[in-house]
Amino acid sequence: GAVVSQHPSWVICKSGTSVKIECRSLDFQATTMFWYRQFPKQSLMLMATSNEGSKATYEQGVEKDKFLINHASLTLSTLTVTSAHPEDSSFYICSARTLQDLYEQYFGPGTRLTVT
Amino acid sequence: AQTVTQSQPEMSVQEAETVTLSCTYDTSESNYYLFWYKQPPSRQMILVIRQEAYKQQNATENRFSVNFQKAAKSFSLKISDSQLGDTAMYFCAGGHRDDKIIFGKGTRLHILP
Repeated sequence: GAVVSQHPSWVICKSGTSVKIECRSLDFQATTMFWYRQFPKQSLMLMATSNEGSKATYEQGVEKDKFLINHASLTLSTLTVTSAHPEDSSFYICSARTLQDLYEQYFGPGTRLTVT
Repeated sequence: AQTVTQSQPEMSVQEAETVTLSCTYDTSESNYYLFWYKQPPSRQMILVIRQEAYKQQNATENRFSVNFQKAAKSFSLKISDSQLGDTAMYFCAGGHRDDKIIFGKGTRLHILP
């Protein structure tokens, strides 16, 4: 149980285009989802927290107009990187939390984004 | 503000040995949970063990155990009988109920054959 999927697992896009990453909770309802960014050999950096039906809360320094987060249902959250630039190339990881356990997060497998 | 500190960037041990990864945390609030996550080369985050800060007893999961020293705000992970599959990045993390989790910078662990 508690499986989180991400799609795509890797994506290459051209500079200036937008790319959408999906995060799905497959067997539970995710009231809260988190989006992280991870550079090579570094830790996870929280980008934003999204609650179903509400606007996402972004961490300091994260451009909300560039990283659009939507959490329209209890099983799906999306991260859209708008007008992507090579410096946006990174590994993006989502996680989800349920009402039944407000401490633990279940992580997706991550999405590798390369902007050329 | 919460902080989680891992002071060992990288460690190497021989297979079958025991290794301890260090972590300290700082929070002024109660209802705090502490976690150790493993990130193997696949980069999938895997929960290794979690500890409720209000519990005195150290958590244990098979070969993995923690040494939780509340007064010292220390939360170390001990891996017994280490195996090649334990090679990974290990992150210490902490969080309050219904709040975000803060991650340490990680310790890269190499298990040598």
